[in-house]
Amino acid sequence: GNSVTQMEGPVTLSEEAFLTINCTYTATGYPSLFWYVQYPGEGLQLLLKATKADDKGSNKGFEATYRKETTSFHLEKGSVQVSDSAVYFCALSNSGGSNYKLTFGKGTLLTVNP
Amino acid sequence: EAGVTQSPTHLIKTRGQQATLRCSPISGHTSVYWYQQALGLGLQFLLWYDEGEERNRGNFPPRFSGRQFPNYSSELNVNALELEDSALYLCASSLVVVTDTQYFGPGTRLTVL
Repeated sequence: GNSVTQMEGPVTLSEEAFLTINCTYTATGYPSLFWYVQYPGEGLQLLLKATKADDKGSNKGFEATYRKETTSFHLEKGSVQVSDSAVYFCALSNSGGSNYKLTFGKGTLLTVNP
Repeated sequence: EAGVTQSPTHLIKTRGQQATLRCSPISGHTSVYWYQQALGLGLQFLLWYDEGEERNRGNFPPRFSGRQFPNYSSELNVNALELEDSALYLCASSLVVVTDTQYFGPGTRLTVL
């Protein structure tokens, strides 16, 4: 079956530090990959996505590249801000066989200190 | 464009009662998904509705059920509530035939006492 493994948190950084959150997946076929962000007390917001190998998703300074050879989709940001403090979820959707559900990693709590 | 909306925001019930949660998808989206986010268990897929039909179901007991209405809004019903049903219930919608990207609502926080 499908599974997503992301680095355990929490991650604590100082403002302007470099961020990497690792994510690897197991899936058959060619899944789409996503990063969602959840701010305190809110639902999930789509941060970025990639639908095929070597695609790079980017948004708000965050980037992730779909690496099929290493089955990875690591999230990076060059300079984090306090407002980036949130829980980040890596997810995949494997629409083969009409199965459109998202499979999520356990989430990584990021805290950015001023 | 309005996003996915859910009601109520918070719901408090006691063991054995029934809970009904509601979701309105983004205009034009025909698919609705329900997920449970329980403490320590992460995000678990519950149900997927598309064009009024249940298309897929996660590993949850039958007391979790739902339906999708002709206007594509959806209802999740949880019968015979148990303490461990306390969680944030998230609804998402998508336009399946174009993309598998799902857009989430703010969630309903269900507390079972």
